[in-house]
Amino acid sequence: EADIYQTPRYLVIGTGKKITLECSQTMGHDKMYWYQQDPGMELHLIHYSYGVNSTEKGDLSSESTVSRIRTEHFPLTLESARPSHTSQYLCASSELEVHTEAFFGQGTRLTVV
Amino acid sequence: KNQVEQSPQSLIILEGKNCTLQCNYTVSPFSNLRWYKQDTGRGPVSLTIMTFSENTKSNGRYTATLDADTKQSSLHITASQLSDSASYICVVSDRGSTLGRLYFGRGTQLTVWP
Repeated sequence: EADIYQTPRYLVIGTGKKITLECSQTMGHDKMYWYQQDPGMELHLIHYSYGVNSTEKGDLSSESTVSRIRTEHFPLTLESARPSHTSQYLCASSELEVHTEAFFGQGTRLTVV
Repeated sequence: KNQVEQSPQSLIILEGKNCTLQCNYTVSPFSNLRWYKQDTGRGPVSLTIMTFSENTKSNGRYTATLDADTKQSSLHITASQLSDSASYICVVSDRGSTLGRLYFGRGTQLTVWP
């Protein structure tokens, strides 16, 4: 069982609300990622980090922002949620070395109404 | 363009039968290939990871193969169980400047019937 946790597991909110999806890992991993996944589709990278104070945007254009103030914590924030943000959000972490396994959290299923 | 294609898109088999899932990729320069199992509504869980020099790796009833020349991989599941019902995702990592970017296939949805 991987030591990476996401909260909440499920979230239903109204349009225009600000939300933060939490992701924490206790493995001391330097690399952390946020992916977005729609049903039956591949995971798309939206943000990643190589360590504290390092954040980069991924492939998928996203209106979300991330921060990495502590190694173990990588929260994702949506300033104003819209129905188009409805999706599953997966957080992952890995060591810096290339051939290491990426561990995924259980995901947050977000629904914006 | 770096891509990962999986086939079939979905597969139904009877409990106890074997099956093979396919993955073709165009990711370059290649670093490693991973197979993940994703249960509905959960995060993916790693099954195997193979580098360029490895052409087969097993994890219990799961055996992955890699042909880096033809850029193909397969995942063979032996004596399937009901708990094998899940999406199986092929993921390829590159050796680019981003220290191992991951490219994901759409997965093969496997259903095992009793």
